[in-house]
Order: sequence, then C-alpha cells, then structure tokens
Amino acid sequence: EVQLVESGGGLVQPGGSLRLSCAASGFTFSSYSMTWVRQAPGKGLEWVSYMSSSSSGSSTIYYADSVKGRFTISRDDAKNSLYLQMNSLRAEDTAVYYCARAEGYCSGSRCYKYYFDYWGQGTLVTVSS
Amino acid sequence: DIQMTQSPSSLSASVGDRVTITCQATQDISNSLNWYQQKPGKAPNLLIYDASNLETGVPSRFSGTGSATDFTFTISSLQPEDTATYYCQQYHHLPPSFGGGTKVEI
Repeated sequence: EVQLVESGGGLVQPGGSLRLSCAASGFTFSSYSMTWVRQAPGKGLEWVSYMSSSSSGSSTIYYADSVKGRFTISRDDAKNSLYLQMNSLRAEDTAVYYCARAEGYCSGSRCYKYYFDYWGQGTLVTVSS
Repeated sequence: DIQMTQSPSSLSASVGDRVTITCQATQDISNSLNWYQQKPGKAPNLLIYDASNLETGVPSRFSGTGSATDFTFTISSLQPEDTATYYCQQYHHLPPSFGGGTKVEI
C-alpha cells in the first residue's frame, strides 16, 4: 500500500524557518517524481514545487514564483523521504502542505502526464507572531 | 502563467442528478488536465487524468471531456458521498495550476 506521511509543520514567526519531511512507503520511491502542494485555510490548492526522480542521475527541480529563493526541495532516496526547507517564512505561507507522488515528469517549460495519484495527509504550517 | 477558471464555484443538487462542472484555460493546454475530489479535512483524490481517463478504482459515474481551453467534468448520477470540492489542474505549461474549486452539496 502506498503511503505518504508528512511531518515538521507547526507555528513559526515571520522570517523563521521550518523543514517539512515526507516519508514514503509501498512503492519504489526513487523511480517517481515528487511534488509539494499547499492549501491556505479555506482556500484552494496551490502547486509549490517539483522534483524529478533521480533515477537518471541528476534531478530536475521547479518552484512556484511565490516560494522561489526561499524554499528548497530535496529528496533522500536511501531514506525514501522528500523534504521542503522553508526559509524567510511569511504570513501568506500559512497553509496545509501536502506531498504527493507524481506520475509523469516536467522538463523545460512543460510537463508530461503530470498528475498526483497519491497524497499525504498534510501538515499545517502557521506563520504568525 | 496559465489561469484556470472553474464554474460554478458552488452548486447544490439532489441525489441522482447529473452534475456538470466546467474548467476553462487561458491558453491551449491540449488534453493536459486532471480532476481531483477533496472532502473536508482530507487530502485531494485523483479522479480523472489527461482530461478523460478515469483513475483506477474511481466509480464510472465520474467522467471528463474536453481539449484545448474548454473542459467538462460530469457526475452522471450524484451520490451522497460525492459531497466535496472538485478541482481541475493543468500541467501543460509550468507552473502547474489549479482551478478555484467547485463545492458540490447535496
């Protein structure tokens, strides 16, 4: 059974940092692209970041403009884990953060058959003083 | 960036009704569109990928059509467990983007 379990959320002051983790099981983690999606309270879904599988040697990474330069996605295939390092946090980063397994891949300016077939339960990040 | 406009933003229908949600893209996205269902307090769940392909295990009352800029999601016979918010998502161009959601109530 595929499982994704996020952790690391919590309350942080503006300007602070958090590191989210996503522990994967039930599939060959290294073979899949992974994604972070967030949802502000009472709002819709927002794509945050993408990281390709590392099976080809190097990983491709993309970020939403809203987090570029502040967030860093990474993965440890030996630990079947995905991470999101979030720095310089702002009130508008307050959201539930989901990790999701991604079919397909992204390259250049496009994605190909890029859909999210398994999601974690989410972890809440609250940025407030 | 490509903007996705879903309509309506909410609807109320009766059990057994046919429900239709539309999603419009600001640019041609071919068939690069997915549909998700999200129940309150839960993660989204993939229903339809590549505009019209039903994800494994998803009931056949759910369907999707469309291409280019105009897409339709249909529930052929609404069931009580279909109460949820539905989102479209394009992936043709980076960054991937979601529609604003359609809340479906019984």
